[in-house]
Amino acid sequence: DTGVSQNPRHKITKRGQNVTFRCDPISEHNRLYWYRQTLGQGPEFLTYFQNEAQLEKSRLLSDRFSAERPKGSFSTLEIQRTEQGDSAMYLCASSLVSEEAFFGQGTRLTVV
Amino acid sequence: QKEVEQNSGPLSVPEGAIASLNCTYSDRGSQSFFWYRQYSGKSPELIMSIYSNGDKEDGRFTAQLNKASQYVSLLIRDSQPSDSATYLCAVSGGDYKLSFGAGTTVTVRA
Repeated sequence: DTGVSQNPRHKITKRGQNVTFRCDPISEHNRLYWYRQTLGQGPEFLTYFQNEAQLEKSRLLSDRFSAERPKGSFSTLEIQRTEQGDSAMYLCASSLVSEEAFFGQGTRLTVV
Repeated sequence: QKEVEQNSGPLSVPEGAIASLNCTYSDRGSQSFFWYRQYSGKSPELIMSIYSNGDKEDGRFTAQLNKASQYVSLLIRDSQPSDSATYLCAVSGGDYKLSFGAGTTVTVRA
């Protein structure tokens, strides 16, 4: 499968715990995006990378969220001290510069 | 943030009919427009992209863009039960960072 891959697909965590998600983009894609989607809403932009550089981070994004893309390949999204409001689907997408973005299967986070 | 509004659903159409979905956006600088299909519990799947005014057809799908009116639409012809999904309109200012609408849920009745 040469599509965008996200792991894990589902994560249940207790409030206050840290969680980390991984995204492997389509191999030749140099742009990588993270979005968050809650029920009944469209995806909301969180951050994006071009190669290893994080070019933009949403002002809505709490300091508890951090993302990395070492060596411009896979990316990780970490949420520290999770809260119930963090429960959502976390979506990763990748693209070539100036091309359409393709999404992975998503990671569904439930904070209990 | 670019505001994107979609017509409220759900939209129910009989099999074989045309489903018409509408989307308006607030940022006149928007350059790229996309329609994604999302099945329940799944991630968005790109079905159409359009960049210039006019119509773009791909199989049973037609996207229409009118930048002067800040309006983009999607027509699904000969609707099939497999078209039942939520359709998301997405807009980009050229950096391909997408702003999404809330989606319109379409149900095709057999």
